[in-house]
Amino acid sequence: GEDVEQSLFLSVREGDSSVINCTYTDSSSTYLYWYKQEPGAGLQLLTYIFSNMDMKQDQRLTVLLNKKDKHLSLRIADTQTGDSAIYFCAERGATNKLIFGTGTLLAVQP
Amino acid sequence: DAGVIQSPRHEVTEMGQEVTLRCKPISGHNSLFWYRQTMMRGLELLIYFNNNVPIDDSGMPEDRFSAKMPNASFSTLKIQPSEPRDSAVYFCASSPRALVSQPQHFGDGTRLSIL
Repeated sequence: GEDVEQSLFLSVREGDSSVINCTYTDSSSTYLYWYKQEPGAGLQLLTYIFSNMDMKQDQRLTVLLNKKDKHLSLRIADTQTGDSAIYFCAERGATNKLIFGTGTLLAVQP
Repeated sequence: DAGVIQSPRHEVTEMGQEVTLRCKPISGHNSLFWYRQTMMRGLELLIYFNNNVPIDDSGMPEDRFSAKMPNASFSTLKIQPSEPRDSAVYFCASSPRALVSQPQHFGDGTRLSIL
């Protein structure tokens, strides 16, 4: 079945880069997404990447996709305290549903 | 632009009561999704609609849960009778079309507590 895994927690210092990793099992995944969830709020779409791409950059965000290893990462440059949140990786494949990872809690230390 | 609007934001009720959660998708979006988020199970898709028609309800936990979409601008998720294990945050999301290229936009959720 489809499964998406993430590490549960990441702590970085303000100004450093953060790298959040995700692995998935569905080889038919077509799009992969990163969402951000702040306390008490819904999920906010940050960025997404089509499976035939290996990199996408959007301002401070860089998404890397290794399709062979089914590994996705989100790099946040110059991490700020406002980036503290839970980050969800999600994949969309043949079933046309979004399968979410467990989420990674990013804590940014001032 | 208004995003996905959910109501109520918070609901506390006693077990056995009927609970109705409401969602207004983004105007022009014709796909709507209901999710449940818990610490133990993360985010689970319960059901989704295309053009007001339920497409996949395989995530609905049991018959106590039902969802309707009477028109393009409104959907409800009903739990009857409610149980303490239904306590969770319920999210509604919408997208322009249920195609893989269209991202889903989420509401702020309804925090449901069943006592």
